[in-house]
Parts: sequence; structure tokens; C-alpha cells
Amino acid sequence: EPEVTQTPSHQVTQMGQEVILRCVPISNHLYFYWYRQILGQKVEFLVSFYNNEISEKSEIFDDQFSVERPDGSNFTLKIRSTKLEDSAMYFCASKWDRGTEAFFGQGTRLTVV
Amino acid sequence: DAKTTQPPSMDCAEGRAANLPCNHSTISGNEYVYWYRQIHSQGPQYIIHGLKNNETNEMASLIITEDRKSSTLILPHATLRDTAVYYCIVRVWFGGAAGNKLTFGGGTRVLVKP
Repeated sequence: EPEVTQTPSHQVTQMGQEVILRCVPISNHLYFYWYRQILGQKVEFLVSFYNNEISEKSEIFDDQFSVERPDGSNFTLKIRSTKLEDSAMYFCASKWDRGTEAFFGQGTRLTVV
Repeated sequence: DAKTTQPPSMDCAEGRAANLPCNHSTISGNEYVYWYRQIHSQGPQYIIHGLKNNETNEMASLIITEDRKSSTLILPHATLRDTAVYYCIVRVWFGGAAGNKLTFGGGTRVLVKP
């Protein structure tokens, strides 16, 4: 069964450093998403991406965050200057059409120290 | 998207059916009911969705009341691997924004016991 792949599974970074979280969505999918989940809290939407542009973003997704689909297969989330409160599980998701179900990756655990 | 209400937790015996309720009294006519689950901090996993008819797939059944104000997810023969947080989410099929994000609530933490 096709799956969404995220790397790395765990990343530790120092506060103020830039991090890039990587995702390989399912190959024929057209809609891409990032969500995050702070330990013990709800899964929160960050951003959606379609047709090479952001289609929706949450209040969390401020100027420190950016997304890119550089080569038609990878989908990345960059945090420019990490803060302690960015520590969370980050989930990538994709789907082939707006109404279809989303497939989630296994997540990247980001720890900012 | 309509708000949903789920019990915070429930236990279920292995091999028995698990019935997970969800209230969505403010659901509108073009909103679907989706169920996802999250097993121990893994990525959420799609289970099933429906509009007004009952639906069944290899994982579960979804029963939606006639007035569509509530629904029940049924896991017919719960196994230990079904222990997870189950999320009931209501949203339109084709959202106003192209994003069609999912809005997760607290879900129901289901513990399947031997």
C-alpha cells in the first residue's frame, strides 16, 4: 500500500537554529498538508499546499514557517528560527483530491533544546 | 465546520464490538462525517466517512442517524491493536478553501482490554 514517508523520525535542534522537515507524499496526490501535535494536545492544522502554492494556513503558521515542493516529489516544512514551543510531532499528509481521505505520515518528532 | 462532541474515553473487551458515539447537532446538509484514529502518537489513519447513508468497509461501520445529528462508529470485533484515539470530524466534501483541512478535537481514547 502506498504511504507518506517522513524524515527524519526524530530531530533535535538548538533554539534559534533552522530545521527542515521532509516528506515524500504519495506519488499521484495533489494536495499536501502539515499538521503538528504538541505532546498531550490535539492535532493542529498548519498549512495546506496545492498547485505549488499555499491554499490555507493557520495562525500558527507565521513568518518563521515556510513550505516548498522543490522537485515534484518532496514536500518540506522549514522553521527558520526554532523556539522551545516548536517542540512537537509534525505530520505530513497528502490526498489526491479535495474530498478524498488524507493519508498521514508517521511524523517527525522535533525537540528544540 | 460543524463542532463534534465525543466521550473522552471508553473501554472495550477484546473480540467484542466497540460502539463509538459522536454528536454533531449543528451539521449542515453538505457536511460529511469522517472518522480517523491515532495509535499512540503515530500519524492519524483514515477509517471511514459518510453523508447520510450507513457505510461499511473492511475496518468499521458508520451509522448516521436519520436527522444526521449524531453518528456511531462500530468496530465489529475489537482487537488489542484497535487501542487508539478515535476522532469524529465533520466537514464539507469540497471545502470553500482549496485546503480542505481536518480539524481534530480531543477524540475518544479507546482502550481494548483482553
